[in-house]
Amino acid sequence: QVQLQESGPGLVKPSQTLSLTCTVSGGSISSGSYYWSWIRQPAGKGLEWIGRIYTSGSTNYNPSLKSRVTISVDTSKNQFSLKLSSVTAADTAVYYCAREGDEHSAVAGFDYWGQGTLVTVSS
Amino acid sequence: EIVMTQSPATLSVSPGERATLSCRASQSVSSNLAWYQQKPGQAPRLLIYGASTRATGIPARFSGSGSGTEFTLTISSLQSEDFAVYYCQQYNNWLPWTFGQGTKVEIK
Repeated sequence: QVQLQESGPGLVKPSQTLSLTCTVSGGSISSGSYYWSWIRQPAGKGLEWIGRIYTSGSTNYNPSLKSRVTISVDTSKNQFSLKLSSVTAADTAVYYCAREGDEHSAVAGFDYWGQGTLVTVSS
Repeated sequence: EIVMTQSPATLSVSPGERATLSCRASQSVSSNLAWYQQKPGQAPRLLIYGASTRATGIPARFSGSGSGTEFTLTISSLQSEDFAVYYCQQYNNWLPWTFGQGTKVEIK
């Protein structure tokens, strides 16, 4: 059973960089054909896809955040990470990591999610 | 970016009744549409992908239909554990993937 777990600071100051890590267990992050995504949800609001990294290391980002986002992978630790720079209060949200099958997978959509971690941007 | 619009925002239903949720895409997404259920304090859970295929472990009372721009999630007989917020999400070719704003299914 694949499990994902987010970790990182729960409080970030405005203009600084938000950094989160997602640790994958129950399977290798570099095996299979999957995208590993970050999704966020402000309190009481809907879901916003931030971006993803493929097993090969290639990335895709939401154009609305592209200039501030970097997603990377560390296969030796079975982790992938999110960095969001120049944060403001508008970036306060619960951040989720999730797995998505690629075009050859039997399952589409985000089939495994972390439990989410709240990041507050405040001085 | 493809805009996903869900209706209604809130649906009040009695246990045992049928619930019908709608999702509309601003342009065709073919059948590349997923539905998720989210309960308070929890991550979303994948219910349906490919517009109509139930994910592993999802009860048969959940069904999805539609293609192109109009989609429906039907819960045939609401159980107490089904009261939650439901989101649709498109994954058709062009990034970014986008979600609807959600439909809250509440007890009538």
